[in-house]
Amino acid sequence: QSALTQPRSVSGSPGQSVTISCTGTSSDVGGYKFVSWYQQHPGKAPKLMIYDVTKRPPGVPDRFSGSKSGNTASLTISGLQAEDEADYYCCSYAGSYVFGTGTKVTVL
Amino acid sequence: QVQLVESGGDLVKPGGSLRLSCAASGFTFSDYYMSWIRQAPGKGLEWLSYISSSGNTIYYADSVKGRFTISRDNAKNSLYLQMNSLRAEDTAFYYCVTTRTFDHWGQGTLVTVSS
Repeated sequence: QSALTQPRSVSGSPGQSVTISCTGTSSDVGGYKFVSWYQQHPGKAPKLMIYDVTKRPPGVPDRFSGSKSGNTASLTISGLQAEDEADYYCCSYAGSYVFGTGTKVTVL
Repeated sequence: QVQLVESGGDLVKPGGSLRLSCAASGFTFSDYYMSWIRQAPGKGLEWLSYISSSGNTIYYADSVKGRFTISRDNAKNSLYLQMNSLRAEDTAFYYCVTTRTFDHWGQGTLVTVSS
């Protein structure tokens, strides 16, 4: 399984929206409804933000939303806040699991 | 609350072996699939293996198949990863994680493979 493709970095000003893409194939992202997203701050363990493409775990702000079209999944952060600055990883079930390459979100 | 505590990370020479443990508490461990996920310093996440709640179903990433063995002891609420034939590229933080969604993570344990 090859890693899913994410942009290396995205940035936005406070209050703006940013979208992170996660591109795979029909064997992973396109073939299953099991895409999840993780936020990781430096020195910390990852935190689940979105699962099953669009679902938010309890406690995750509704500023975070997920979607999928074909072989590409997306995470959108609306109303960007300083604490959203972190690395973000997508993950897809594919019989086993495959992670994305990771995206650094910078709040300008 | 859910707590996962990994242990066993250490400095080991190439070709050596190491056994990682993960102590689970705060949830019914025997109900959950569990995974090991690693992250090399400054790099991305890599899923390694998962084991079903009963231990009957196991999957491995190609990168560790034949070298690593996942196991669990539901009576002890513990997850294990036996790592053999270690290579420099196995150097990473190793996380114990609840599965199918990776909703709970331990703090990680560092494995360093170096001569």
